[in-house]
Order: sequence, then C-alpha cells, then structure tokens
Amino acid sequence: RKEVEQDPGPFNVPEGATVAFNCTYSNSASQSFFWYRQDCRKEPKLLMSVYSSGNEDGRFTAQLNRASQYISLLIRDSKLSDSATYLCVVNTGRRALTFGSGTRLQVQP
Amino acid sequence: ETGVTQSPTHLIKTRGQQVTLRCSSQSGHNTVSWYQQALGQGPQFIFQYYREEENGRGNFPPRFSGLQFPNYSSELNVNALELDDSALYLCASSPPAGEVETQYFGPGTRLLVL
Repeated sequence: RKEVEQDPGPFNVPEGATVAFNCTYSNSASQSFFWYRQDCRKEPKLLMSVYSSGNEDGRFTAQLNRASQYISLLIRDSKLSDSATYLCVVNTGRRALTFGSGTRLQVQP
Repeated sequence: ETGVTQSPTHLIKTRGQQVTLRCSSQSGHNTVSWYQQALGQGPQFIFQYYREEENGRGNFPPRFSGLQFPNYSSELNVNALELDDSALYLCASSPPAGEVETQYFGPGTRLLVL
C-alpha cells in the first residue's frame, strides 16, 4: 500500500466549476500536510499547507481529518490557469516529504 | 531572495556511466533534499543533507550518493547508471529548524539514460 494515495484523474472540468481532490495517508505519525502544484515538466511548487482546523487561500480550501487520515483540496471558480497536477504531500517528521502520485486537473473553456 | 538552482537542466548518459548533479539552496536554507521523479509519479525521497552530513535516506541503493558543502550547496552522484534511473531529479531546500517543515524545489535536472 502506498503511503499517500490519490486518484490520478484526470479531472476534466469547465471554467467556473468547483472541483475537489482527496488523498489518504497511511502513517498516523504524519505531522505536516501540504498541497503542491506541478505544471507540466516543471518543479512542484507549494500551493498551501493544510491544518486540522481547515484553511482557505482565495479560491482554494484545504481540510485535514486526522482521525480518517484524509486530506482534501477544494478549488472554487476554476480558471484555465488551474490546469496542473496537484500533489498531496505529508511530512512524518523525518524532514523528508512523502508525495502522492498526483491528481491531474484539466480546466476547459 | 535567491531561489533553488540546479545544473545541468538536461543530461543524456549511457548505461554504466556515472553522473553528478548540482544544487544551490535558497538563501538562508541549510538543509538540502534530493528527490527522483519518474514519469507519471510523485517525487521519491533519495536523501537529505544537513550541515554537510547525510540526515536521512530513502529506499535507494548505495550507488546514489551525495555531498553538501559549507555554503549549503549539494551534489548528487549516481554510479553505474541504469535505464530506470531516467527521471527528473529535484533538489529542495528547507529553512532552519523551527520554521514550517516544508521544502522549496529547484527546476530539476532531467536525466535520460540510454
């Protein structure tokens, strides 16, 4: 079983749609949680950290459920520029990040 | 603030050869981690360097080795290259302990082994 599991997609949505991605992690000792965004042939870039209380950054909302070991990302009012692969990432405290395989989003005009 | 830089951007090698990849960490960051990203996969942790010492290692064989220098820059060396080593190699730097435990990635080196 992979340490971080994500639906690979692709998710094809029209502009303006709301889309949600989910991810589960297996290590209950995981301490920090993030969503990274990766554009085609580019490096991953930090999108946002994820906190137990939930957090929002503009059109993006992240949630963490420690009991279920589940992380989510909600994107509202999708833009063409949101098309990318979204990587769910956990840190177990070893300072090494564990990545999911990513969920691909394609926003269509 | 200077970001993470890596060199070279692209590299083609043949099976059995050796390769050295280089990384300069972001200003103020003293920890460097290396990741391998195969096509269609998320990055996989290779190892991390802190204060010139290896500070953790993923599930990679000993032919993957590294160095960190006093200025916090780092090298990744891979000996006896195999076809499966073809991947994007990412370097990431982290701020000093006590700050958010996240990492900032360089643009990567794309390695093709023929």
